Amino acid sequence: AQTVTQSQPEMSVQEAETVTLSCTYDTSESDYYLFWYKQPPSRQMILVIRQEAYKQQNATENRFSVNFQKAAKSFSLKISDSQLGDAAMYFCAYSSQGAQKLVFGQGTRLTINP
Amino acid sequence: DTAVSQTPKYLVTQMGNDKSIKCEQNLGHDTMYWYKQDSKKFLKIMFSYNNKELIINETVPNRFSPKSPDKAHLNLHINSLELGDSAVYFCASSRLDPGLALYNEQFFGPGTRLTVL
Repeated sequence: AQTVTQSQPEMSVQEAETVTLSCTYDTSESDYYLFWYKQPPSRQMILVIRQEAYKQQNATENRFSVNFQKAAKSFSLKISDSQLGDAAMYFCAYSSQGAQKLVFGQGTRLTINP
Repeated sequence: DTAVSQTPKYLVTQMGNDKSIKCEQNLGHDTMYWYKQDSKKFLKIMFSYNNKELIINETVPNRFSPKSPDKAHLNLHINSLELGDSAVYFCASSRLDPGLALYNEQFFGPGTRLTVL
């Protein structure tokens, strides 16, 4: 079974600085998808970014980018120019190719200090 | 327009009661899911339905019974509620492309916070 591990229960960063959230996963599959979801206090789950395992290029979405290391099974999220609105729980998630479920990590609570 | 909606948003009830949570999506998706987020914020899949058929049942107690009257709805009925059922329950939906092995984004509802007293 696949597992996802986020080893940082909490992180904090100064506004406008850069922060990196860590995620590792375990799988025996070669084709899969990885995601970062944001959950603000409103508790709505918002997809931030996704990465297809077959793509070597790291995904980017504006201030959000990932560092995908397939051999190391590592998938970190970098947030540049942090903003107060980035404060939330961040979840790393995994999905097998063609699968019908997401496997989530434990989450990292990100605090932005003004 | 709300893509995935859940009712109610909050539910407070006594132990032993039976309750239902409703989910509706207007995205034309054919696959729907229920996830449970516990008090430690851990999210885990409970069920998934594709075209009204149960695809995934992740060792959820029999007290939980999903029902999909049509592709746009997936309701969750819980019998004999226990203290440990207190959690946030999320409904989600996506499109499935069988045979194409594609991933289609899952869209989440706003969640239902269930509190069992």
